[in-house]
Amino acid sequence: QKEVEQDPGPLSVPEGAIVSLNCTYSNSAFQYFMWYRQYSRKGPELLMYTYSSGNKEDGRFTAQVDKSSKYISLFIRDSQPSDSATYLCAIEESGGYNKLIFGAGTRLAVHP
Amino acid sequence: KAGVTQTPRYLIKTRGQQVTLSCSPISGHRSVSWYQQTPGQGLQFLFEYFSETQRNKGNFPGRFSGRQFSNSRSEMNVSTLELGDSALYLCASSSTGGNQPQHFGDGTRLSIL
Repeated sequence: QKEVEQDPGPLSVPEGAIVSLNCTYSNSAFQYFMWYRQYSRKGPELLMYTYSSGNKEDGRFTAQVDKSSKYISLFIRDSQPSDSATYLCAIEESGGYNKLIFGAGTRLAVHP
Repeated sequence: KAGVTQTPRYLIKTRGQQVTLSCSPISGHRSVSWYQQTPGQGLQFLFEYFSETQRNKGNFPGRFSGRQFSNSRSEMNVSTLELGDSALYLCASSSTGGNQPQHFGDGTRLSIL
């Protein structure tokens, strides 16, 4: 079993839709949770960073963490064609010396 | 503020050769991590350096090595290249020793012929 599971998609939605992206993890020691966006031929770009259960909002993006279920989500409201990219969840142990464990990434396509 | 800079962007090598990749972190960042990204395995952690010391290492063979200089710039070396080493190599930097957001460069695309 992988430490972090993420459905690779692809996911195709119409412009303006609410997108839900999810990851599950197996290790209770994971305490820090990130979402990255990666466009083709570019490096991952940090979207959200959180370390507590609950919701964190930044513009059209909301990150949700449920440590009891070992489940994290990223919601994108009013999705735009420019949101078309691969979304990666990343998780780190407390005291993990910056070792991120990544999900497989979900490819998202937002069509006009 | 300049981001993480990786050079070169593209490299083509043949089996058995060695290669050195370079990473300049965001100014003020002291931690540099390296990752390998392939279609089959996704993003995998290689190693992390902080203040010129390797503090963490992933499950890669000894052919993969790195170092960090006093100005926090880092290099990664792969010796005796194999076809399976073809990948995007990504460098990330963060401000302190751990549990801080990491910011990635655009990577070096290494192709082995």
